[in-house]
Amino acid sequence: DQQVKQNSPSLSVQEGRISILNCDYTNSMFDYFLWYKKYPAEGPTFLISISSIKDKNEDGRFTVFLNKSAKHLSLHIVPSQPGDSAVYFCAASAGTASKLTFGTGTRLQVTL
Amino acid sequence: DTGVSQNPRHKITKRGQNVTFRCDPISEHNRLYWYRQTLGQGPEFLTYFQNEAQLEKSRLLSDRFSAERPKGSFSTLEIQRTEQGDSAMYLCASSPVSRLYGYTFGSGTRLTVV
Repeated sequence: DQQVKQNSPSLSVQEGRISILNCDYTNSMFDYFLWYKKYPAEGPTFLISISSIKDKNEDGRFTVFLNKSAKHLSLHIVPSQPGDSAVYFCAASAGTASKLTFGTGTRLQVTL
Repeated sequence: DTGVSQNPRHKITKRGQNVTFRCDPISEHNRLYWYRQTLGQGPEFLTYFQNEAQLEKSRLLSDRFSAERPKGSFSTLEIQRTEQGDSAMYLCASSPVSRLYGYTFGSGTRLTVV
């Protein structure tokens, strides 16, 4: 069963606009959430995270929002840049567990 | 520090052969993880070490798979009697004990079993 779901396999956004990537989870034990970015032929790179005690975390152009009641989180990128074109993975962990459960990824393309 | 290093980058092997991959983590990171990623999927957890102790193994890790981290430094992942279904990208990552900053992943080893 897919405990972390990214239902949009791809997203295309114009440069300068907002990119919104969505993620849903089913395991109510998850209490820490992360976003990773992956370029071809490279490993995923950590982008931003959020604890379940917060509903928003911001880092420069990147903001993650968490809605615990809906078991939903989203990553906002404003403004989007061509270098943001990559595959974005949502991931979650539970309690003291160290392992991450990843979604299937969303491919973001930022066009000129 | 040059990050997490994985070798080889690519490996093509015949079905039934054994393969071994190596991961060199960031030196001050206590934790080391192995993940597997297949096409169209996110990384799937295989196992992790804290220092030299292997603390958790996924059910995905059949008895043909074994991982070691002698002396808490580099790690090896061995797959015995490879099968075509083992074809995937094998990712290694390391992190400090605190989970606040996520993992640092290596570039992975792409295994193709023919």
